[in-house]
Amino acid sequence: DIQMTQSPSSLSASVGDRVTITCQASQDIRTHLNWYQQKPGKAPKLLIYDASYLQTGVPSRFNGSGFGADFTLTLSSLQPEDIATYYCQQYDDFLPSFTFGPGTKVNVK
Amino acid sequence: QVHLQQWGAGLLKPAETLSLTCAVSGGSFSGYFWTWIRQPPGKGLEWIGEINHTGATKSNPSLQGRVTISVDTSKNQFSLNLRSLSAADTAVFYCARGWPTLRAFDIWGQGTVVTVSS
Repeated sequence: DIQMTQSPSSLSASVGDRVTITCQASQDIRTHLNWYQQKPGKAPKLLIYDASYLQTGVPSRFNGSGFGADFTLTLSSLQPEDIATYYCQQYDDFLPSFTFGPGTKVNVK
Repeated sequence: QVHLQQWGAGLLKPAETLSLTCAVSGGSFSGYFWTWIRQPPGKGLEWIGEINHTGATKSNPSLQGRVTISVDTSKNQFSLNLRSLSAADTAVFYCARGWPTLRAFDIWGQGTVVTVSS
């Protein structure tokens, strides 16, 4: 099974800061990586698909990058409404199997 | 605009069976994988399984055959049964729409809190 790790597990940043979250897969997953934002008590929301493509309606301050086993989600300028937990998700469409990372909780200082 | 509305019993006893249903409105039912995902309290997300409009299903092997996912195309609904519940199955359960390629989940239900307790 493919395992996913994320770092950091939590972070605090100021409004306007650049925030970077990393996600690492236990093996090469090419670009089979999606990112989600989850606010407390709400369902996750798709932000980025196929490692770097912005889902329709998602603000352009969100950016995804990476290939193989190492991926990054960047918020170019943190806004108060970005306070949430962020999850990466890999997929193997051969099996299929889907694994989510453990999440990164983003707080405002 | 596609909307997923889910429902089912929220308080169950050990060894009982969880039954949840998710209704899809506002869009096509075919061409997607209709998915169940759960989230234990304070923890991350776990894929349970999926079904398409033809009834083809896949489920997470870690659930050891306790999962049945079914579809009713006449009502644009799909359902989850999870047998032999234990306290470890306590979670928020979500239904979601999965893409056939790139395999992202773009539309989610509101979630159902399921508690397993004697």
